[in-house]
Amino acid sequence: EAGVTQSPTHLIKTRGQQATLRCSPISGHTSVYWYQQALGLGLQFLLWYDEGEERNRGNFPPRFSGRQFPNYSSELNVNALELEDSALYLCASSLGFRVFFGQGTRLTVV
Amino acid sequence: AQSVTQPDIHITVSEGASLELRCNYSYGATPYLFWYVQSPGQGLQLLLKYFSGDTLVQGIKGFEAEFKRSQSSFNLRKPSVHWSDAAEYFCAVGTTSGTYKYIFGTGTRLKVLA
Repeated sequence: EAGVTQSPTHLIKTRGQQATLRCSPISGHTSVYWYQQALGLGLQFLLWYDEGEERNRGNFPPRFSGRQFPNYSSELNVNALELEDSALYLCASSLGFRVFFGQGTRLTVV
Repeated sequence: AQSVTQPDIHITVSEGASLELRCNYSYGATPYLFWYVQSPGQGLQLLLKYFSGDTLVQGIKGFEAEFKRSQSSFNLRKPSVHWSDAAEYFCAVGTTSGTYKYIFGTGTRLKVLA
């Protein structure tokens, strides 16, 4: 069974551009979580989608947004990129009470 | 609506001091309750969980949490904080009806002063 998959693995953007990150949860999982892990910092909760709706949101500005599709895959969009948005973005889905993480997308803003 | 609230985004304590991280939930049935810790560079680690029984739950690393149904709370405590406890702490509710799901709080960042 495939795990949580994220694409792309690496993404380089310039300041002011938009970035789109994608996540496919494990088959059968309806919840998708997005986290940001910046260098030297812990995991910071970004967004939680369940059954196609945004259920919870972390302390991030509105230029961080996303959506969940009918097949439960998800996109994270970051508009007007800033240098400090450079980080590893992790997607996770859950089954029962175990959380499964993807390998992440490394976003570099130059 | 089902929700988990961690009202403190950041908490700073001195090493050796006691710690309490707050968690309140809204859920119609009796929930399963969890605390996770996320340290820099590491994945989520389960600290403790409550399913039923004794409302005071002991976890790893000297942490404990108390389930208070009347207050819809599941606060995490530690009597003496160590510098290595600096991390992000997530409270979560596990739904007990239908498909199991997690409802995560938004996390509390703990800073420990030497």
